[in-house]
Amino acid sequence: DAGITQSPRHKVTETGTPVTLRCHQTENHRYMYWYRQDPGHGLRLIHYSYGVKDTDKGEVSDGYSVSRSKTEDFLLTLESATSSQTSVYFCAISESTTSGGQETQYFGPGTRLLVL
Amino acid sequence: AQRVTQPEKLLSVFKGAPVELKCNYSYSGSPELFWYVQYSRQRLQLLLRHISRESIKGFTADLNKGETSFHLKKPFAQEEDSAMYYCALTLENFGNEKLTFGTGTRLTIIP
Repeated sequence: DAGITQSPRHKVTETGTPVTLRCHQTENHRYMYWYRQDPGHGLRLIHYSYGVKDTDKGEVSDGYSVSRSKTEDFLLTLESATSSQTSVYFCAISESTTSGGQETQYFGPGTRLLVL
Repeated sequence: AQRVTQPEKLLSVFKGAPVELKCNYSYSGSPELFWYVQYSRQRLQLLLRHISRESIKGFTADLNKGETSFHLKKPFAQEEDSAMYYCALTLENFGNEKLTFGTGTRLTIIP
């Protein structure tokens, strides 16, 4: 599982409340990612990080912010949750291959978020 | 912008029959293609990628640049193959920060 954990694994919240999801890795990988998974849309990249304090937007970044103050943690924050943000959120990390080729992404177990 | 298309949302195949999950992409350069699989209530995991030319769990996929396709195939389906399959693309020499996924195909193997 490449040492990736996510917390919480399940959360129910109300519209308008802030929510923070945590992704933790134990193997010092440089790249970390947040995706959301929705039926009919597959996985869509929200934000990613290429180092401590280095982040960039993905395809669906509106309404989300991220922070990475240390290598092992990548936080995703919904400043004011909306029902459209009900989804399953996956964190991923990139690992270089032993052959020095393209990096492979490994995924966390996911967080199911329900916004009422 | 790059795009990955998986035309089948659902696919049902009898056990022992051949399986083919379709994936087409649009990108003018040379992409790297991947197949990821998600078994029920488990995390996504890499199944295979075109650059390694491996066969994993009996699955193979060949990149056809002329047809811009990367179809996933298996000659004889097994019940444990039932899962959600995602085709994904990243740009050559860009690293995985630009990984784009298709919408996925749910494969069901009928005993």
